[in-house]
Amino acid sequence: KAGVTQTPRYLIKTRGQQVTLSCSPISGHRSVSWYQQTPGQGLQFLFEYFSETQRNKGNFPGRFSGRQFSNSRSEMNVSTLELGDSALYLCASAEGRGAYGYTFGSGTRLTVV
Amino acid sequence: DQQVKQNSPSLSVQEGRISILNCDYTNSMFDYFLWYKKYPAEGPTFLISISSIKDKNEDGRFTVFLNKSAKHLSLHIVPSQPGDSAVYFCAVLQDDKIIFGKGTRLHILP
Repeated sequence: KAGVTQTPRYLIKTRGQQVTLSCSPISGHRSVSWYQQTPGQGLQFLFEYFSETQRNKGNFPGRFSGRQFSNSRSEMNVSTLELGDSALYLCASAEGRGAYGYTFGSGTRLTVV
Repeated sequence: DQQVKQNSPSLSVQEGRISILNCDYTNSMFDYFLWYKKYPAEGPTFLISISSIKDKNEDGRFTVFLNKSAKHLSLHIVPSQPGDSAVYFCAVLQDDKIIFGKGTRLHILP
């Protein structure tokens, strides 16, 4: 069974640009969550999607958004990038709602210059 | 304000000895706790969990202890092995999301 796949693995963007990150969950998983990892703040919850609906949102500005498609694949978008958005962005998927069974992907390392 | 605190950023332990990683939490309503392990350039991997109705859970070399009155949990690894060198995150489950501590980097020394 393939794991959670995140693309791209690495990304360099310039301040002010926008970026879209992609996450393909494990087959059959309908819940996808996104987390941001930075050295200062650790792992912080961004949002959770289940059956194409955002069910939960963390404390991040509106520049961070996401969506989930009917095949459960998810994308997150960050607009007007700031230097502080440089981080490892992790996606996790689970069969149902609830974080008990989350499997994480390897992440996308975003560097904003 | 941090709801899950791991006060030791790093810990070094001799191979074969016991590694003890500690975690404190602020909300007595938390009722499900998890430990994750993370290697560089990989996502966190679930290690072990414990529900608030228990005070101990074991899985092979890994044991998690929960002290509800102190709002404290700990992860014991016995015996420690070189492959255990990683960052360990303590986490709690709240409203279907995981709240992580900032992690403790464990170094297993030969």
